[in-house]
Amino acid sequence: QQQVKQSPQSLIVQKGGIPIINCAYENTAFDYFPWYQQFPGKGPALLIAIRPDVSEKKEGRFTISFNKSAKQFSLHIMDSQPGDSATYFCAASIAGYALNFGKGTSLLVTP
Amino acid sequence: DVKVTQSSRYLVKRTGEKVFLECVQDMDHENMFWYRQDPGLGLRLIYFSYDVKMKEKGDIPEGYSVSREKKERFSLILESASTNQTSMYLCASSWFGYEQYFGPGTRLTVT
Repeated sequence: QQQVKQSPQSLIVQKGGIPIINCAYENTAFDYFPWYQQFPGKGPALLIAIRPDVSEKKEGRFTISFNKSAKQFSLHIMDSQPGDSATYFCAASIAGYALNFGKGTSLLVTP
Repeated sequence: DVKVTQSSRYLVKRTGEKVFLECVQDMDHENMFWYRQDPGLGLRLIYFSYDVKMKEKGDIPEGYSVSREKKERFSLILESASTNQTSMYLCASSWFGYEQYFGPGTRLTVT
């Protein structure tokens, strides 16, 4: 049973666009929500993470928006670049231990 | 820099063979994890360990076992490999939860 639902499965945007990836969860005990970025042939790497006591977190061009009441969170990539083309995974965990991952979003940023 | 290494990038085994996947981390992390990654399914947790000789089942432990005799090393064992265990296997480690650092993965093919 997938505890974190992620959409869309794939996304194509032009350079400079703002891709948005959405995730939803059911378990209100989750208290840590990271996003991982994975390039082909590599393992996933932590991109940005948020805890439920804040509604937004920015790191460079990457922003997480968090809606606790709706049990949803999303990743926005500002001024997207071809180098951002990768697979993105959202995840959720309790106390940061075993991560429950979404199924992933394959992002392609065209020049 | 944290480094998580996996013993093989590619592995081909026959049905029924016993398979060992090795993972080593160099940051004295307490926690180590094994995931499998399949297209359209994301990453699914097989087993994790929060201390030497300790292990916990993840979401899909059937057909797998693990061993952690030393803090830096976490092994995944396929007791009798089957074709449905053909997958990408990812090892990760973390210090008291939160950011998990992933290895590059082992692509296992069982024929």
